[in-house]
Amino acid sequence: AQKVTQAQTEISVVEKEDVTLDCVYETRDTTYYLFWYKQPPSGELVFLIRRNSFDEQNEISGRYSWNFQKSTSSFNFTITASQVVDSAVYFCALSHDSNYQLIWGAGTKLIIKP
Amino acid sequence: DSGVTQTPKHLITATGQRVTLRCSPRSGDLSVYWYQQSLDQGLQFLIQYYNGEERAKGNILERFSAQQFPDLHSELNLSSLELGDSALYFCASSVGQGNWYEQYFGPGTRLTVT
Repeated sequence: AQKVTQAQTEISVVEKEDVTLDCVYETRDTTYYLFWYKQPPSGELVFLIRRNSFDEQNEISGRYSWNFQKSTSSFNFTITASQVVDSAVYFCALSHDSNYQLIWGAGTKLIIKP
Repeated sequence: DSGVTQTPKHLITATGQRVTLRCSPRSGDLSVYWYQQSLDQGLQFLIQYYNGEERAKGNILERFSAQQFPDLHSELNLSSLELGDSALYFCASSVGQGNWYEQYFGPGTRLTVT
């Protein structure tokens, strides 16, 4: 089965706290791709990052970092020193060569309180 | 701004009616995807077109149809509308047909069926 699980439905933290959004995936394919998208209150989905299954290097982009671990089938997203503008719904997604569909997680709503 | 445009932004119509949603992809992108986002179903992939041809089909109802025109813009037609079709409809585009490409999303069309 191909599936993406974002177990955290909603997370609420105070500004400047670090926060980690979990993403666990299931797949039988050896080649696959993982994505994170952000959906701010304005509604438009914004691409954040793509990782392929052969690249387990962690990625850092400013206050954002991603931890890809094949051993635990996880692709977690950490925001350091969160800001109110980070408030959004964050989606994790999975794709394969054999299937043109992106498989989406249910999303995690992140609320950053001032 | 992702470069993907969608019209109209909002649409209110009655049950049984037919509507057409329009999408223009980013310049240079050949793939167009349609998604439906509702509170109870989350983000659902409907259909993908690449350079005018249908590439993948997701959970698209028979009452719904889409096409991509030679100028690469796409239209999603929804007919015999039901209350349950009320949702946010997103169009996304990517440069290639494979699902490893990041997708860029438009602002969405909010459809309300009364």
